[in-house]
Amino acid sequence: AQSVTQLDSHVSVSEGTPVLLRCNYSSSYSPSLFWYVQHPNKGLQLLLKYTSAATLVKGINGFEAEFKKSETSFHLTKPSAHMSDAAEYFCVVSVDIYGNNRLAFGKGNQVVVIP
Amino acid sequence: IAGITQAPTSQILAAGRRMTLRCTQDMRHNAMYWYRQDLGLGLRLIHYSNTAGTTGKGEVPDGYSVSRANTDDFPLTLASAVPSQTSVYFCASSVGAGAGHDEQFFGPGTRLTVL
Repeated sequence: AQSVTQLDSHVSVSEGTPVLLRCNYSSSYSPSLFWYVQHPNKGLQLLLKYTSAATLVKGINGFEAEFKKSETSFHLTKPSAHMSDAAEYFCVVSVDIYGNNRLAFGKGNQVVVIP
Repeated sequence: IAGITQAPTSQILAAGRRMTLRCTQDMRHNAMYWYRQDLGLGLRLIHYSNTAGTTGKGEVPDGYSVSRANTDDFPLTLASAVPSQTSVYFCASSVGAGAGHDEQFFGPGTRLTVL
């Protein structure tokens, strides 16, 4: 079965410094991988998606993630944090099993941006 | 275009009462999903529907039921609410249920408190 591990449930960064959120996955199949962001009291919004094309994926709001199969990782980065980046971030793996796609969510990273 | 709407936004419910959470999408997506989000656990799948007229059980289906009479609507019913069902509930949809259609779009959520 597929699963996702997100370390560091709470991450604090200073405004203007880099953001790194780590994600490792396990899957018996060739997965699609996603990062979603959830701002307070809001639904989840897709940041970016990997689907076996380019291993470096660029998303919205300056975020990007690199797929490394040898490390089973899909870490999310942003060069310079903005106050509006304060949110919860979920790494998600999708596996197509007999025509049914299923998402497995990590437990999330709560990001706090310090002015 | 509204995307996915959910109602109510929030609800406080006495234990033992019946409650239906509503979800409607206007994207003509075939597949729809219900998740619950609990602190530190990420999102967990309750039920899903790959297409109108079909439903299936997810990771945590007990105490919940769903129906999919048409493409747009996917209500979630708690027949007899219990305090452990206090959570934030998210409805989601995707174009299809198979490979290449696995990006899911999320509604704004319903915050349910069972006393």
